[in-house]
Amino acid sequence: DIVMTQSPDSLAVSLGERATINCKSSQSLFYSSNNKNYLAWYQHKPGQPPKLLIYWASTRESGVPDRFSGSGSGTDFTLTISSLQADDVAIYYCQQYYRSPDTFGQGTELEI
Amino acid sequence: QVQLVESGGDLVKPGGSLTLSCAVSGLTFSDYYFSWYRQSPGKRLEWVAYINSEANNMYYADSVKGRFTISRDNTKSLYLHMSSLRADDTAVYYCSHLGYWGQGTRVTVSS
Repeated sequence: DIVMTQSPDSLAVSLGERATINCKSSQSLFYSSNNKNYLAWYQHKPGQPPKLLIYWASTRESGVPDRFSGSGSGTDFTLTISSLQADDVAIYYCQQYYRSPDTFGQGTELEI
Repeated sequence: QVQLVESGGDLVKPGGSLTLSCAVSGLTFSDYYFSWYRQSPGKRLEWVAYINSEANNMYYADSVKGRFTISRDNTKSLYLHMSSLRADDTAVYYCSHLGYWGQGTRVTVSS
């Protein structure tokens, strides 16, 4: 299985400041035939299912605020929240879907 | 609109069995793979099991291997049969395909 490793495990950021979460995969998630990275980011709040934020490493899901952005390629990826809002408190996960089974990182807990 | 609806969660005694179901609509069920995930109280999301579109390839987390069985049928349903349940299997269980998730069903293992 492809191993996904996130850093940091937890992060405290002030309201209005930038939050950056990193994700590293044990092998490249880039598929050259379609020029895409098979990497997604999710937001998970207690009592709710995970919410898809970003797919193809940098494509924002419909309805997701533009303060969320994804970047990176190959094995190294980043989720950035440009200006933290109180509603962004959650655990964030990266997920690879390059090879089955899909695998998640261990999660990053984001606090104010 | 894609919908995944889990059911079957319950309170069960240690050593007992339970089968969860997930009804899928809004996509061509037979074309897609699915997974079960769970979140135990105070813990992070954990992948549990995977089944491919043809139901001939299944994977399991080490924590459930030999006790849980994932399956699917032609009625657009996904299943998770759980046996030899333990207290640490207590969790909300979700079915999922990529960005699509159900609301979850709660399993509590307690005497």
